[in-house]
Amino acid sequence: AQSVSQHNHHVILSEAASLELGCNYSYGGTVNLFWYVQYPGQHLQLLLKYFSGDPLVKGIKGFEAEFIKSKFSFNLRKPSVQWSDTAEYFCAVKNTNAGKSTFGDGTTLTVKP
Amino acid sequence: DGGITQSPKYLFRKEGQNVTLSCEQNLNHDAMYWYRQDPGQGLRLIYYSQIVNDFQKGDIAEGYSVSREKKESFPLTVTSAQKNPTAFYLCASSLRTGSGANVLTFGAGSRLTVL
Repeated sequence: AQSVSQHNHHVILSEAASLELGCNYSYGGTVNLFWYVQYPGQHLQLLLKYFSGDPLVKGIKGFEAEFIKSKFSFNLRKPSVQWSDTAEYFCAVKNTNAGKSTFGDGTTLTVKP
Repeated sequence: DGGITQSPKYLFRKEGQNVTLSCEQNLNHDAMYWYRQDPGQGLRLIYYSQIVNDFQKGDIAEGYSVSREKKESFPLTVTSAQKNPTAFYLCASSLRTGSGANVLTFGAGSRLTVL
């Protein structure tokens, strides 16, 4: 069974600091990779996704993620965080032969103004 | 606007009672999903359905049941057999093909509390 591991449960940063959230998965086949974000009081929504092609993908609000196949990783990055980035971030993996996505435990990001 | 509607938003239940959570989507998505969200445990898949009249168990299906009689609707019943039902329940849907395939759209969630 596939699994997803997010390394940080809670990250606290000051505004303008750089962000990197780790995500590793266990499935060895072809995968679709996602980061979802849940802002306070809002629905979970897609931040960015990787299906194929360029392993560096860009999402909304200046976020990007890099797929490193050899490391089974899909880390999320942002060069300079803002207070409005305070949210919970979830990494998810879907193997292309299965009908379901598996989520990590989530990382709560708190950005101090 | 297209989206997913979950109801009720908050629900209280006595032990031993079954309760049904509603999920309706007008996105014309083929696939629908139910996840359970607990603090520190992320989202865990309960059931999913890729087409009408068909559904599969997810990772934590025990004590839950679903039906998929219409494309737009995927209700979840939390039965009295579910030992720890107090949780936040999220419904999601997705396309199965095309450029938006497998991207989940989520509802606002239903919070169930067992008294």
